[in-house]
Amino acid sequence: GESVGLHLPTLSVQEGDNSIINCAYSNSASDYFIWYKQESGKGPQFIIDIRSNMDKRQGQRVTVLLNKTVKHLSLQIAATQPGDSAVYFCAENKRAAGNKLTFGGGTRVLVKP
Amino acid sequence: EPEVTQTPSHQVTQMGQEVILRCVPISNHLYFYWYRQILGQKVEFLVSFYNNEISEKSEIFDDQFSVERPDGSNFTLKIRSTKLEDSAMYFCASGKMVSTEAFFGQGTRLTVV
Repeated sequence: GESVGLHLPTLSVQEGDNSIINCAYSNSASDYFIWYKQESGKGPQFIIDIRSNMDKRQGQRVTVLLNKTVKHLSLQIAATQPGDSAVYFCAENKRAAGNKLTFGGGTRVLVKP
Repeated sequence: EPEVTQTPSHQVTQMGQEVILRCVPISNHLYFYWYRQILGQKVEFLVSFYNNEISEKSEIFDDQFSVERPDGSNFTLKIRSTKLEDSAMYFCASGKMVSTEAFFGQGTRLTVV
C-alpha cells in the first residue's frame, strides 16, 4: 500500500548549522510532495512543495530534493535558527483525490543555542 | 493576516454524545478540509469539501461523521456518537484553489471520556 514515512524521529542541530530531514515514500502516483512544519500547539504550516516531475526546488533558506529512483524526499534548512524548532512532516498530494494531503510520521527538530 | 479559526479549542464529551466542531475558513477560500491527529501520531486526512459537497473522504470518515457549510462562513464537523478512539486534535484547513498549500487552523482538542 501507499505510505509516506520518515527515517529519523528527532534531529538535534546546532544553531547556525544546516539541517537535513529525510522522508521515504512508496506511492509514485502523487502529484506533489510537500513539507509542513508544526510548532507546539499549532496546526501544520506549509513550507515548500515540489512537483513530482522535478528533482529540486529552493525557497527562502529551504531546499527540497526529490529522488524518484529511490523514492526519497529531503528538506534542507540552511543556517538553522531557534524558530526552526518544530516537528516537520513530509506529505504527498493527489489532486484527483479531493486534493488531499497524506502525511508522514514527522521528525522533531531541536535547535540548540 | 487572514487565518483559519476553530472553536472550541478544547472539547470534553462523554462517549456516545454528539459533538460539533466549528471552523471559520479564510474568507475567499473555496476548498475546505478536516484532518485529525491522535496524540503523538501523524496528521490524518478525514474529508475534503468543495462546491458544497464532499469531494473525497477517508476510511476514517464513516457514517458517524458529517460536514456542513451552513452559511457563507462556517464549516462544521459533526460526530454523531463519539467513541473513545475519536479523541484527537481535529484540524480544519482551507485553500483558495487546488493547491498543496492548505492553511490550517489551531485545532480543536477533542477528549472523549
